[in-house]
Amino acid sequence: EADIYQTPRYLVIGTGKKITLECSQTMGHDKMYWYQQDPGMELHLIHYSYGVNSTEKGDLSSESTVSRIRTEHFPLTLESARPSHTSQYLCASSGGLRNSYEQYFGPGTRLTVT
Amino acid sequence: KQEVTQIPAALSVPEGENLVLNCSFTDSAIYNLQWFRQDPGKGLTSLLLIQSSQREQTSGRLNASLDKSSGRSTLYIAASQPGDSATYLCARRDTDKLIFGTGTRLQVFP
Repeated sequence: EADIYQTPRYLVIGTGKKITLECSQTMGHDKMYWYQQDPGMELHLIHYSYGVNSTEKGDLSSESTVSRIRTEHFPLTLESARPSHTSQYLCASSGGLRNSYEQYFGPGTRLTVT
Repeated sequence: KQEVTQIPAALSVPEGENLVLNCSFTDSAIYNLQWFRQDPGKGLTSLLLIQSSQREQTSGRLNASLDKSSGRSTLYIAASQPGDSATYLCARRDTDKLIFGTGTRLQVFP
């Protein structure tokens, strides 16, 4: 059972607000990822991290930013939310001893910007 | 562009049928391939991971195969049940990143 958590699960917020989506994992995984998924569409990687103080942009351009100050925590921030940011955001991690490349996903945050 | 394609896009079957979901990818230099299940509005649950050196993996009623030379993977679901209804996604690993297909939406009716 994967132990990766995301909060909030659902968020409805007005345009221009700053928001932070939280992601935490208790598996000690070194790699963490953020994906964006629009309804009925495939997942696209927007950020990833190989470890503490490491962050990289993914394949899909995103106005969000991330930080990795602690191994278990990988928050995603939008400085000024816009309706185009409405989507589902999924966090994942990998790096366990059994299979370091198998990714485990959190339940997701469904964001609606009005 | 390294694409991952899944066929069919949607499938509706009666309970008890054996199913095959298909996944094809354009780059045969694959590290591994992972199959996931996604329930509506939820995150992804990892089902099976096949390393590039393996031909197949099995877990319960699920069997996934990998044919690198033809750029294909299949997910076989035996004796389908209504609880299997979900979207099934395959993803190929590109270094440390996953490239996802658009999924097959499966409905199993009683």
